[in-house]
Amino acid sequence: DIVMTQSPDSLAVSLGERATINCKSSQSVLYSSNNKNHLAWYQQKPGQPPKLLIYWASTRESGVPDRFSGSGSGTDFTLTISSLQAEDVAVYYCQQFYSTPYTFGQGTKLEIK
Amino acid sequence: QVQLQESGPGLVKPSETLSLTCTVSGDSIRSDYWSWIRQSPGKGLEWIAYIYYRGRGSTNYNPSLKSRVSISIDTSKNQFSLNLTSVTAADTAVYYCARGGSSYYGLWGQGILVTVSS
Repeated sequence: DIVMTQSPDSLAVSLGERATINCKSSQSVLYSSNNKNHLAWYQQKPGQPPKLLIYWASTRESGVPDRFSGSGSGTDFTLTISSLQAEDVAVYYCQQFYSTPYTFGQGTKLEIK
Repeated sequence: QVQLQESGPGLVKPSETLSLTCTVSGDSIRSDYWSWIRQSPGKGLEWIAYIYYRGRGSTNYNPSLKSRVSISIDTSKNQFSLNLTSVTAADTAVYYCARGGSSYYGLWGQGILVTVSS
């Protein structure tokens, strides 16, 4: 199984500041046939299902604010929130869909400082 | 607007079978792959299985659950279902249905909490 490890486990950032969450996969999720990284990012607020933010490591889902961006390739990935808003308080997860079983990171809890 | 809704019992006894159904509204279930994913405090988010309607229903299961899991699809009702046999307390979780198979999951149901307890 591909193990997804996120860091940090929790993060407190001031409103308007940048938040950065890292995700590392135990093996590359870059698929050679399409040259795409099979990695997604989700946001989960209490009592709600996860919401897709980013797929193919850097493609923003429709309707997601442009302050959210994804980067990285191979085994190392980053989710960046450029200017933290109060509504961004949530737990964030990365997920690989390179090979089964598809696996998620353990989550990063983002709070306001 | 496409919506997914899980249904089924919220309490299942140990050793019995957990059965859940996901109803898809706003689109045909033939249009995509569909998955079950669960979330527990101990194991986080865990992909369980996916299904596609074509070819007797193309399926793929998480190997850690494969011996106990089956997924099926009913195109006449626009639903897909999950059966998990021989449940234990470790199967207590919020179960989500989602749109997508061997990919990212762009749409999720609200989730249903299933507790395994006598």
